[in-house]
Amino acid sequence: QVQLVESGGGLVKPGGSLRLSCAASGFTFSDHFMAWIRQTPAKGLEWIAYITGSGDEIHYPDSVKGRFTISRDNTRNSLYLQMNFLRAEDTAVYYCARGPGSRSGSYVSWGQGSLVTVSS
Amino acid sequence: EIVLTQSPATLSLSPGERASLSCRASQSISGYLAWYQQKPGQAPRLLIYDASNRATGIPARFSGSGSGTDFTLTISSLEPEDFAVYYCQQRSDWPITFGQGTRLEIK
Repeated sequence: QVQLVESGGGLVKPGGSLRLSCAASGFTFSDHFMAWIRQTPAKGLEWIAYITGSGDEIHYPDSVKGRFTISRDNTRNSLYLQMNFLRAEDTAVYYCARGPGSRSGSYVSWGQGSLVTVSS
Repeated sequence: EIVLTQSPATLSLSPGERASLSCRASQSISGYLAWYQQKPGQAPRLLIYDASNRATGIPARFSGSGSGTDFTLTISSLEPEDFAVYYCQQRSDWPITFGQGTRLEIK
């Protein structure tokens, strides 16, 4: 069955960097767009990155643009999120999510989440 | 940015009752709205996509309706496992946005 497993979360100081990974299995990875979505008690669910199945189109919201980079390795069935210049407000549970097709649709599958804490 | 406003914030009902949850968009999003259910300690689960289509494996008691700016998630007869938080999400325009959630609690 479809599985998405995030890793790489942890405690990091403000201004620091962290790389999240999402290992996918149970489906043809390159056929599906992927996204990162984070959740905090204060702000709820926030979409933070999108990448098409082939990786030819990427989008970010303004809150992370220029600091976060989404990428994927279709040969390794893996999705990544490089997070730089981290701020306290980036503290959240980060989910990777899969779309139903290569470009558009809702989030049909989610990982279990990885906690990122930004604190000195 | 398209703002999604969910109401009510909390809904208190009993098993067997009918639940109606609202999601209103700040501008037209056509039918590009999804609904998710989230239980404590779990990731969100897709219930409804494109306003009215049930996702795979979702029971028929869940239904979605609406278009443009006003949308409704209806649970026809509440089961004990339905008490959770529900979120709407639009994919009409970037950035993708979510509503703030409706907590459905047992009365």
